[in-house]
Amino acid sequence: QITLKESGHTLVKPTQTLTLTCTFSGFSLTTSGVGVGWIRQPPGKALEWLALIYWNDDKRYSPSLKSRLTITKDTSKNQVVLTMTNMDPVDTGTYYCVYEDHWGQGTLVTVSS
Amino acid sequence: DIQMTQSPSSLSASVGDRVTITCQASHDISKYLNWYQQKPGKVPKLLIYDASNLEPGVSSRFSGRGSGTDFTFTISSLQPEDIATYYCQQGWLTFGGGTKVEIK
Repeated sequence: QITLKESGHTLVKPTQTLTLTCTFSGFSLTTSGVGVGWIRQPPGKALEWLALIYWNDDKRYSPSLKSRLTITKDTSKNQVVLTMTNMDPVDTGTYYCVYEDHWGQGTLVTVSS
Repeated sequence: DIQMTQSPSSLSASVGDRVTITCQASHDISKYLNWYQQKPGKVPKLLIYDASNLEPGVSSRFSGRGSGTDFTFTISSLQPEDIATYYCQQGWLTFGGGTKVEIK
């Protein structure tokens, strides 16, 4: 059974850095072809793809957010970490960790002073 | 950078109607196009992958077609439980803007 779970700070102040961790089970990020990504959704708005990391450490970022995002993996812990710098209230939303068609439950991140 | 343009942004149709949503990629993406359904407060659900392949367990009312840059998603006979927002996605990357489907 494949599961993914997001964790991290749910309330951040403007200009701070957000760090989210995805802990997964049921598959391995050392398997050829496997990738884990992050997607977010502001309240009442559309889904937005953020970043993806592959088994071979190849990384892809949303062009509009690339300068603020870093995605890394720790295969020994079955974790993927997303950092987003210089947070703003418009970054408020639910952040999801995703492996193919498997989604975590999401974590609501609020950016407010 | 590939952009995904989805239309319409919303639609209202009657139960039993045929509903079609389009998604256009800014560059050739071959067959790598997914369609998701998202109901309020729920995680998105994959309905179709690789443009036309129905995810196991998904109703055959849903179908998809296309390749290259132009894709369509169809609900053959709209049902009340189909009320949701539908998204296209290039591969496992960029999403379209979504289409909110309502009952007239």
